[in-house]
This record gives sequence, C-alpha cells and structure tokens, in this order.
Amino acid sequence: GEDVEQSLFLSVREGDSSVINCTYTDSSSTYLYWYKQEPGAGLQLLTYIFSNMDMKQDQRLTVLLNKKDKHLSLRIADTQTGDSAIYFCAESIATDKLIFGTGTRLQVFP
Amino acid sequence: EAGVAQSPRYKIIEKRQSVAFWCNPISGHATLYWYQQILGQGPKLLIQFQNNGVVDDSQLPKDRFSAERLKGVDSTLKIQPAKLEDSAVYLCASSAQGALGEQYFGPGTRLTVT
Repeated sequence: GEDVEQSLFLSVREGDSSVINCTYTDSSSTYLYWYKQEPGAGLQLLTYIFSNMDMKQDQRLTVLLNKKDKHLSLRIADTQTGDSAIYFCAESIATDKLIFGTGTRLQVFP
Repeated sequence: EAGVAQSPRYKIIEKRQSVAFWCNPISGHATLYWYQQILGQGPKLLIQFQNNGVVDDSQLPKDRFSAERLKGVDSTLKIQPAKLEDSAVYLCASSAQGALGEQYFGPGTRLTVT
C-alpha cells in the first residue's frame, strides 16, 4: 500500500544541522522527493533521489536513503531562518504520480 | 519563466454553494495536476491531465467535483455543491512530459466553506 509518514515538528538553532525523517511503505518506489512549502506558497522541489542510490548531496542538502528500512532523511547543514518551512517527502512508483507525507514543520530560532 | 498561476487566492462560500478555481500552467507543460491539501496534511491528488485527457481521477469525488482542461492549457476545477469538509487549499501543479516527480506548484486557492 501507499503510505508516507513524517514527524510533525522540528525546532533547531540557527547554524545547526537539521535532520528531517520520513518512512514509506511501498518498496516499489522508484523516486523519492523532498519538497518545501513556505507560508502561503505552493510546494517547491528541493531534491530527489533514485531508489537505487544511497545518498545524494546538493550544496547544503544531503539525502540519505535506507531501502531496507524504507527510511528517507533530509539533512540541512548550517540551517538558516530562511529554511523555516514545511518539508514534505513524497514517493513515486513508476509513474509521475506523487504520494506525499504529512509534512514536517521546521522552525529555526536565533 | 512564469510560474503556475491560480485564481482566486482565497474564497469563502456557504455550504451547498458552488465554486470554481482556475489554473494556468507553465507554458509547454503537458501534464497538469489538481491537489487538495487539508490543513495539517500533505497534498492529495484529485486529478491528473495529460494534455487535455484525464490520466488519473481515482481520488476525485465525482458526485460533486469536476475538472476540465480544454485545449490542453488552462484548467478549471469546480465543486458543486460544496460541503464543510471541502475546506482546504487547492493546489495546481504542472510538469513537462517525462519529468517524473518534478512538478511545479502554484500558490493555491484557500477555500473556506461555512
């Protein structure tokens, strides 16, 4: 079945690293994505990882994928106040249809 | 490059009334999606168009929701009659053909049904 779960809330100090976690249930997922949603705005694609990869790094973002545990994480290095937003992980299964998680609200304080 | 445009941004209606939302995707994007995002949840796909044909409408409550994409460009989503549980943000997204999950989202329409 299709189900993507995330913790609801994360609070970090500016300059620290943030780690947002996600678990999914469908082992046939082909791509996994991280989207960011700022207040009053639509979702913005941050990064994605193909299911046969373990890690992907893109500037301050590092995505780790553990296929055995069906666990995906997004690490943001040197977190800034502008990173405060809701982060959604999503999976796709051989198509362009996305199944989104519930979202994790990241709050960055000075 | 202009992004995905949606209107209106906000709408308040009473239950049993009807409402329509409009979306203009990114120029050249063949695929258009409508999502419903209830407060505190992730977006849920309502309907997906490829050009002007429907690819997936399995989650669309067809007794009250309808959508069309005439000429394969703009799209409208209609709710008639609205219920209290339809209160949500309605997001439109588009993607280029073959882009898999790389979707570009509009700012959404926040609907409140009273």
